[in-house]
Amino acid sequence: GESVGLHLPTLSVQEGDNSIINCAYSNSASDYFIWYKQESGKGPQFIIDIRSNMDKRQGQRVTVLLNKTVKHLSLQIAATQPGDSAVYFCAESHGQNFVFGPGTRLSVLP
Amino acid sequence: DGGITQSPKYLFRKEGQNVTLSCEQNLNHDAMYWYRQDPGQGLRLIYYSQIVNDFQKGDIAEGYSVSREKKESFPLTVTSAQKNPTAFYLCASSRLPNYEQYFGPGTRLTVT
Repeated sequence: GESVGLHLPTLSVQEGDNSIINCAYSNSASDYFIWYKQESGKGPQFIIDIRSNMDKRQGQRVTVLLNKTVKHLSLQIAATQPGDSAVYFCAESHGQNFVFGPGTRLSVLP
Repeated sequence: DGGITQSPKYLFRKEGQNVTLSCEQNLNHDAMYWYRQDPGQGLRLIYYSQIVNDFQKGDIAEGYSVSREKKESFPLTVTSAQKNPTAFYLCASSRLPNYEQYFGPGTRLTVT
């Protein structure tokens, strides 16, 4: 498989538990944020996004929280499943291009 | 079946050779992007294009070149001037800048 994701922070959770993955972003002017999921050997897959005029957005089993005061973004995954095992990374944008975080590896324990 | 395709999935080249990576999208997106991904790092932008026949350098454009002759296609050439070309290359597109980017499956380039 791909070597992407080596030396990343790892979060291990029990199957069925909730997962919280955190991201600190750098630019206080960023106004659009995305969470991506990347499985080994594959391209990133969009999970959920949020714009800076919101502080919370929910999808199917996922919630993104945005705290602009401390420049912090989090992704919550409810009832984590084995298929959720992947590298998750955030992306921030101000204008036309994105800045991507290095990611967190989520491991789901049986 | 809409999406972004990249080919090939794995590519091997000898040092000193140029190589072109393919990226095609049928999403009717105006903007297209090339990123490089290395272990333990975030995606780094190589080149981007917001419209046909126009493209801009990203953060790490040295040793790379692109063209955008058609809306659907944005090939990336890794030249012999790129000092460390071995990496995982990702192509993406978006309807407009500052909108959700959709990624292709990636091409793993190994140069020896």
